[in-house]
Amino acid sequence: AQKVTQAQTEISVVEKEDVTLDCVYETRDTTYYLFWYKQPPSGELVFLIRRNSFDEQNEISGRYSWNFQKSTSSFNFTITASQVVDSAVYFCALTPGETSGSRLTFGEGTQLTVNP
Amino acid sequence: DSGVTQTPKHLITATGQRVTLRCSPRSGDLSVYWYQQSLDQGLQFLIQYYNGEERAKGNILERFSAQQFPDLHSELNLSSLELGDSALYFCASSAQGNTYNEQFFGPGTRLTVL
Repeated sequence: AQKVTQAQTEISVVEKEDVTLDCVYETRDTTYYLFWYKQPPSGELVFLIRRNSFDEQNEISGRYSWNFQKSTSSFNFTITASQVVDSAVYFCALTPGETSGSRLTFGEGTQLTVNP
Repeated sequence: DSGVTQTPKHLITATGQRVTLRCSPRSGDLSVYWYQQSLDQGLQFLIQYYNGEERAKGNILERFSAQQFPDLHSELNLSSLELGDSALYFCASSAQGNTYNEQFFGPGTRLTVL
């Protein structure tokens, strides 16, 4: 069985602060894929990044960066110089790598509030 | 805008009733997924279709059923509705049905059962 844990239910920061959202996962698969999605107040889910289990390189995209550490089963997400528009619920998710079909197993989500 | 459309946006109905939620995937995507988001259960995978065939099944109740039509749109049917079925129902699509494909989500249908 797969499981994703986002221990931080809510985080509140002031604009321009850096913030890291934690994600810890459990899986017995050797191949798997990790994702982050953003759910702004409008409600839709927006895809941010996909990472496969064989690629442990960190990734940076603008103010966003992701740190994947297989040894600790973590896939953390950092927003640098946060902005009010970053306020949203962020979900970490996992899919198995070697089965037919696909299903995202989501964490509970972290509500990020960026205050001006 | 992800390119995935869902109708209706909101649905209010009574216990015991039946409703149909509709989803059109992004142009070219062959796979459709349904998810339920509720306060107590979070985001849960319900079912996946690929090119008209059921590909994977999650925590979908027997009262719920889905299908994908030849034009690739999908419908999720919810029957004998209970108060606990009130939730946001998302449809997502991906190019193929593989686990590494990113899934693009529609805006959701908010179902309220009174």
